Amino acid sequence: DIVMTQSPTSMSISVGDRVTMNCKASQNVGSNVDWYQQKTGQSPKLLIYKASNRYTGVPDRFTGSGSGTDFTFTISNMQAEDLAVYYCMQSNSYPNTFGAGTKLELK
Amino acid sequence: EVKLVESGGGLVQPGRSLKLSCAASGFSFNDYWMGWVRQAPGKGLEWIGEINQDSSTINYTPSLKDKFTISRDNAQNTLYLQMSKLGSEDTAIYYCAREDFEYVMDAWGQGASVTVSS
Repeated sequence: DIVMTQSPTSMSISVGDRVTMNCKASQNVGSNVDWYQQKTGQSPKLLIYKASNRYTGVPDRFTGSGSGTDFTFTISNMQAEDLAVYYCMQSNSYPNTFGAGTKLELK
Repeated sequence: EVKLVESGGGLVQPGRSLKLSCAASGFSFNDYWMGWVRQAPGKGLEWIGEINQDSSTINYTPSLKDKFTISRDNAQNTLYLQMSKLGSEDTAIYYCAREDFEYVMDAWGQGASVTVSS
């Protein structure tokens, strides 16, 4: 199975911050990485698909980049409602696998 | 509005079976792949598997392939997850999800809670 290693595990941030998190695949996954947001007590929500495509209705402060083994997810201007755990997932090779998540907390 | 509603969760004894359902509405169910993802308490997301439109292709994560069976009834707009030989490690919230035409999970249900305990 492909291992998706997310870093950091958690981040303490302030509203207005630029937030960057990473996801590293154990082997080449092309651009087949998606990013999901999960707020406490809610189901996951798709934000970015195929590494860099923003899903319908997702604010443009959320961006994704990368290909191959290294991927980055950025929130350009952190808002309070963005507090959540963010997961990357690869769908290049079965089984699809998720990273362990990056939790955003208020400083 | 796309809506996915899981049901069938609850408390089940170790070694027993349980079948979850996911009722879909607001879209043409038989046009989409569908999948299941689970989340153990306080843990991350685990992909269980997926099924194509006519059930001719079903993919599973290998560690669950012998315990879990994914199926669907397009006439009833319903996705299923049959779980057998359940153990405490299967305690989790189980989500169904729609896969769009890029095979991306673009819509999720609210989840069904399964607790395996004697």
